[in-house]
Amino acid sequence: EAGVVQSPRYKIIEKKQPVAFWCNPISGHNTLYWYRQNLGQGPELLIRYENEEAVDDSQLPKDRFSAERLKGVDSTLKIQPAELGDSAVYLCASSLEQVVTYEQYFGPGTRLTVT
Amino acid sequence: DQQVKQNSPSLSVQEGRISILNCDYTNSMFDYFLWYKKYPAEGPTFLISISSIKDKNEDGRFTVFLNKSAKHLSLHIVPSQPGDSAVYFCAASSASGNQFYFGTGTSLTVIP
Repeated sequence: EAGVVQSPRYKIIEKKQPVAFWCNPISGHNTLYWYRQNLGQGPELLIRYENEEAVDDSQLPKDRFSAERLKGVDSTLKIQPAELGDSAVYLCASSLEQVVTYEQYFGPGTRLTVT
Repeated sequence: DQQVKQNSPSLSVQEGRISILNCDYTNSMFDYFLWYKKYPAEGPTFLISISSIKDKNEDGRFTVFLNKSAKHLSLHIVPSQPGDSAVYFCAASSASGNQFYFGTGTSLTVIP
């Protein structure tokens, strides 16, 4: 079974530039999460999708961040414009909505460096 | 406002001995707790979980203990192996799944 796929793995951009991350969840997983992990910290939830619907985006900085999950499968997370403080690892995870354990399967992440 | 705390950033243990990783939480609405393990350049991987209706869950060398009154949980690894060296994250969730928080992680080093 293929795991969660993310691309790119690494991205270096200058501040004020736009950037986008892509995620392909495990087949059949209805729930998709985007997290940001700063150095030395745990992952922080940015947004959670149930199928195509964003059910929790309370931690998403909506002035510069946007996300979409068209057709309830792949998802993209965009930052425009990027700021120095956005440097972090962006993790995508997916889970079966029906699974009570809330076990999430994570991708390898995209390491973003804003210069 | 850190709702899930791991106060020990690092831990070193001799191979074969017990590793104990601790986690505290503040929100009494949390009722499901998970431990994830993370190697460098990889995403976290699920290790073990426990529901608030239990106080212990065991899976092979890994056991998680939950003390609801103290809002504390711990992960025991016995015996510790060098391959267990990784960062361990504690996570907590509410029944609705609408809240999901990770701790800051504890870096475990198992010395051969």
